[in-house]
Amino acid sequence: NAGVTQTPKFRVLKTGQSMTLLCAQDMNHEYMYWYRQDPGMGLRLIHYSVGEGTTAKGEVPDGYNVSRLKKQNFLLGLESAAPSQTSVYFCASSPAGTPNQPQHFGDGTRLSIL
Amino acid sequence: KNEVEQSPQNLTAQEGEFITINCSYSVGISALHWLQQHPGGGIVSLFMLSSGKKKHGRLIATINIQEKHSSLHITASHPRDSAVYICAVLMYSGGGADGLTFGKGTHLIIQP
Repeated sequence: NAGVTQTPKFRVLKTGQSMTLLCAQDMNHEYMYWYRQDPGMGLRLIHYSVGEGTTAKGEVPDGYNVSRLKKQNFLLGLESAAPSQTSVYFCASSPAGTPNQPQHFGDGTRLSIL
Repeated sequence: KNEVEQSPQNLTAQEGEFITINCSYSVGISALHWLQQHPGGGIVSLFMLSSGKKKHGRLIATINIQEKHSSLHITASHPRDSAVYICAVLMYSGGGADGLTFGKGTHLIIQP
């Protein structure tokens, strides 16, 4: 099993460009999350999903949109990239039914906005 | 919002030393996670605790719910333990999943 796979691994964008980060998991997990990691700060939750067709805002949702059209995929979109969105983005997934389950993380996407 | 504080922020030790990393949080939780992030960035879940103590190899994690405090211990530390160790807490809304709230991490270097 691949676990949680993020694509792309690296990307450089110009201010104002748009892009979509893809997260795919093959563990049949209900819950999926997008986090960002910035120097000197802990990871912060951007958006999350508790099931196919549902999404919810996390701590820092502004400037991002998400979609969960299929259970195994969670997409993070930047409609108009800004330098403040330069970060490392992590996707994670976990089973439903109880909150006391470990989250499985992807390897991250390093995004630079020029 | 839960505040998660880790100490120390940076720790350098010699191979073989006993290592302790601390985590405190401000609001009651349903679970606490310890994560490891190696250079290169991948994040791996080490432990998930809601009470008591867990052990895996040379790693031991404890939690005191009343004091809102957890510790991660590494016995007989080795250079391959060098990584960032992250504490994260989960608040359960009762209706679904909330994401984790993370500490800033402890950067551990074990010198040979």
